[in-house]
Amino acid sequence: RKEVEQDPGPFNVPEGATVAFNCTYSNSASQSFFWYRQDCRKEPKLLMSVYSSGNEDGRFTAQLNRASQYISLLIRDSKLSDSATYLCVVNMRTGRRALTFGSGTRLQVQP
Amino acid sequence: DGGITQSPKYLFRKEGQNVTLSCEQNLNHDAMYWYRQDPGQGLRLIYYSQIVNDFQKGDIAEGYSVSREKKESFPLTVTSAQKNPTAFYLCASSYGGGDTQYFGPGTRLTVL
Repeated sequence: RKEVEQDPGPFNVPEGATVAFNCTYSNSASQSFFWYRQDCRKEPKLLMSVYSSGNEDGRFTAQLNRASQYISLLIRDSKLSDSATYLCVVNMRTGRRALTFGSGTRLQVQP
Repeated sequence: DGGITQSPKYLFRKEGQNVTLSCEQNLNHDAMYWYRQDPGQGLRLIYYSQIVNDFQKGDIAEGYSVSREKKESFPLTVTSAQKNPTAFYLCASSYGGGDTQYFGPGTRLTVL
């Protein structure tokens, strides 16, 4: 089982749609969670951190479910510019002090 | 402007040659990282460094080497021992291990 698992997609949605991605992680001791966005042939960029109580940033909402060990990202009113790969990232709190990246979920927003 | 720079953006090398990729940051971050990304794949950790003069192997360190002589710099050498070096190489930094990482623009290495 992968440490951080995501559905690779692609998710093809029309403009204005609401879309949600889930991500599961294997280590229950994990403490920090993030969503990054990666455009084609570019570097990943931080989209938002994920807090225990859930958090919202404009059209984006992130949720954490520790009991089931998953995090989610909800995008409302999708824009063409939201087309990208979304990476789920976890601080696994193992002996290695580094983040663990999921393989990403690809989103394609269509006109 | 603060940030992370990587050079060059594109690099072509002949098989059997060693090549060094540059990564510099002026964010005053203690930790730095090197990742490799293959087409359609996720990021795989090559090496990371939490502090100057110290570094640890990641998941795919074989065929790579690093140094951390200065806080700002973390160069990666792709040696001839790396069997399939053609990939997109990303450098990142953070204040500490497990903290939010910020990435450079990457170097695309093609071995001919």
